[in-house]
Amino acid sequence: GEDVEQSLFLSVREGDSSVINCTYTDSSSTYLYWYKQEPGAGLQLLTYIFSNMDMKQDQRLTVLLNKKDKHLSLRIADTQTGDSAIYFCAESIRAGTALIFGKGTTLSVSS
Amino acid sequence: DAGITQSPRHKVTETGTPVTLRCHQTENHRYMYWYRQDPGHGLRLIHYSYGVKDTDKGEVSDGYSVSRSKTEDFLLTLESATSSQTSVYFCAISEPSGLGAGTQYFGPGTRLLVL
Repeated sequence: GEDVEQSLFLSVREGDSSVINCTYTDSSSTYLYWYKQEPGAGLQLLTYIFSNMDMKQDQRLTVLLNKKDKHLSLRIADTQTGDSAIYFCAESIRAGTALIFGKGTTLSVSS
Repeated sequence: DAGITQSPRHKVTETGTPVTLRCHQTENHRYMYWYRQDPGHGLRLIHYSYGVKDTDKGEVSDGYSVSRSKTEDFLLTLESATSSQTSVYFCAISEPSGLGAGTQYFGPGTRLLVL
């Protein structure tokens, strides 16, 4: 069945890079997403990548996709205290279908 | 932010009472979804809609019903609330075609406490 796994916690110092990892099981996943959730708030779309891509960069964010290993990572360069949040990885098979979410990685940034 | 509002934002109710949550969008997106978020489970799909009057069940649909009579509104009803339905409920929308097809945008959430 479908499953998305993430490590639960990551702690970094301000200015360092953060790398959040995600593995998924459904090889037919076409779309992979990263969302950010701050305390008491909804989910904010950070970025997404299609399965025919290996990498996507957007300002401080870099997404790497290894389809062979079904592994997705989100790198945040120059991590700031405002980046402290829960980060969710999600997959879907095709446009419009349900997202399958990981349980989220709590990123804690210390100054 | 996508134009998605949810109401109410917070609700406390008693076991056995009916509850209706509303999601309203101004983006004219065809697809709408209801998820619940619980500690240790991430987000799970309850129901979704792929057009007016077209709905389908998700992973955790028992005890919930939905209705969509207009493109902009998607209602989630708990027919008889139970304590296990205490959760944070999120609405999402997506457009299945065009640039970024299928990308889901989320509302601010409704916190529901069933006593």
